[in-house]
Amino acid sequence: QVQLVQSGAEVKKPGASVKVSCKASGYTFTSYYMHWVRQAPGQRLEYMGIINPSRGGTTYAQKFQGRLTVTSDTSTSTVYMELSSLRSEDTAVYYCARETMVTNSGLDYWGQGTLVTVSS
Amino acid sequence: DIQMTQSPSSLSASIGDRVTITCRASQSITSYLNWYQQKPGKAPKLLMYAASSLESGVPSRFSGSGSGTHFTLTISSLQPEDFGTYYCQQSYTSPRTFGQGTELEIK
Repeated sequence: QVQLVQSGAEVKKPGASVKVSCKASGYTFTSYYMHWVRQAPGQRLEYMGIINPSRGGTTYAQKFQGRLTVTSDTSTSTVYMELSSLRSEDTAVYYCARETMVTNSGLDYWGQGTLVTVSS
Repeated sequence: DIQMTQSPSSLSASIGDRVTITCRASQSITSYLNWYQQKPGKAPKLLMYAASSLESGVPSRFSGSGSGTHFTLTISSLQPEDFGTYYCQQSYTSPRTFGQGTELEIK
C-alpha cells in the first residue's frame, strides 16, 4: 500500500535550518510529483513547493524563495525539505503529499506530518 | 500566484442539510480544482479532483462543479462525520495555492 512516512518532530532555534524527510513506498516513486505543504497552529494550509523526483526539477512558492530547498533521492525513494533561516513564524506542521504526473488528480496521499517548532 | 478565495469562512448546519461551499480563483484554472477535508490533528484528505471527479472511497453525497474561476463543493445530506475544515486547491500551475478554508460545524 502507498505510504509516505515523514521524519520526527524537530525543535530549532531562530536562524537555524531544518531538514525533513519523506520516504515513499508502495508505488513508482518517479511517476509522482511530491509537494510540501505546511500548517501553522490553527492556521490554513500553506503551499510551499514541488519536486519532480525523476528529474529533480523544483518550483517554490515565492514566499519561500531563497530559504527552501527540496531534493530527492531515487535510490531510497525519499524526498527532503530543507528550510533555512528559521524564525518563530515557521513553527508549523509540515506535510509531504504526492500527485500523479499523468492526470489532474490532486494530492491523493499525504505524509503524517512533521511538527517543527522554532523557539529560542 | 493564483489566489483562491473560499466562502463562507465557517458555517454551522444540521444533519441532513444540503451544504454548499464556494471557491473562486483569481484567474481561469479551467477544471484544475481539487477539494480536501481536514479534521483536527490529521492530514488533509482528497475528496474531489478535476472539479467534479469523486476520489475513490469518498461518499457519493459529496459532489463538485464549476470551471474557469467559480467552483462549488456540495454535500447533499450532511452526516455527523462531515465536520472539519474544507479547502480548495488549484493545480493549474505552480505554486498550487489553497483557499483559506471553510470550517464546517455540525449543529
